[in-house]
Amino acid sequence: KAGVTQTPRYLIKTRGQQVTLSCSPISGHRSVSWYQQTPGQGLQFLFEYFSETQRNKGNFPGRFSGRQFSNSRSEMNVSTLELGDSALYLCASMESGRSYGYTFGSGTRLTVV
Amino acid sequence: GQSLEQPSEVTAVEGAIVQINCTYQTSGFYGLSWYQQHDGGAPTFLSYNALDGLEETGRFSSFLSRSDSYGYLLLQELQMKDSASYFCAAPSDNLFFGTGTRLTVIP
Repeated sequence: KAGVTQTPRYLIKTRGQQVTLSCSPISGHRSVSWYQQTPGQGLQFLFEYFSETQRNKGNFPGRFSGRQFSNSRSEMNVSTLELGDSALYLCASMESGRSYGYTFGSGTRLTVV
Repeated sequence: GQSLEQPSEVTAVEGAIVQINCTYQTSGFYGLSWYQQHDGGAPTFLSYNALDGLEETGRFSSFLSRSDSYGYLLLQELQMKDSASYFCAAPSDNLFFGTGTRLTVIP
């Protein structure tokens, strides 16, 4: 069974640009969550999608957005990038009906210069 | 608000036992999970305690006390490969993570 796949693995962007990150969950998993990980703030919840609907959203500005497609693949977009957006962005998928045992992808390391 | 507090760093000797604590303050508590993350890697699920008591999975055990709002992860027979960051996490509207503990295993 393939794991959670995130692309790209590394990304360098300039301030003011926008970026789109992709996540393919484990086959059959309909729930996808996104997290931002930084050394100072740890793992911060961005949003969760289930069956193409955003179910929960964390405390991030509107520059951060996401969506989920009918095949459960998810994308997150960050517009007008700031230096502080440099982080590891992690995607996790989960079986429906469970509240634990998330499976994480290896993440996308975003560097904003 | 929610908070899951862990020690920031722990150092232990290879072959020894180490305990990583997690104290929590959350609304609607359902249980406590533990994740391991090696540098540059993905967090991987280790264990979940829905009820009070000890859950054992090989060299790793996890404990929960709801009355004390406290849990811990116990690692036995430490190996060098156990050097990693360990996070406790509590499911609520989303999976809320603790501050993380960096474990260093020394020879």
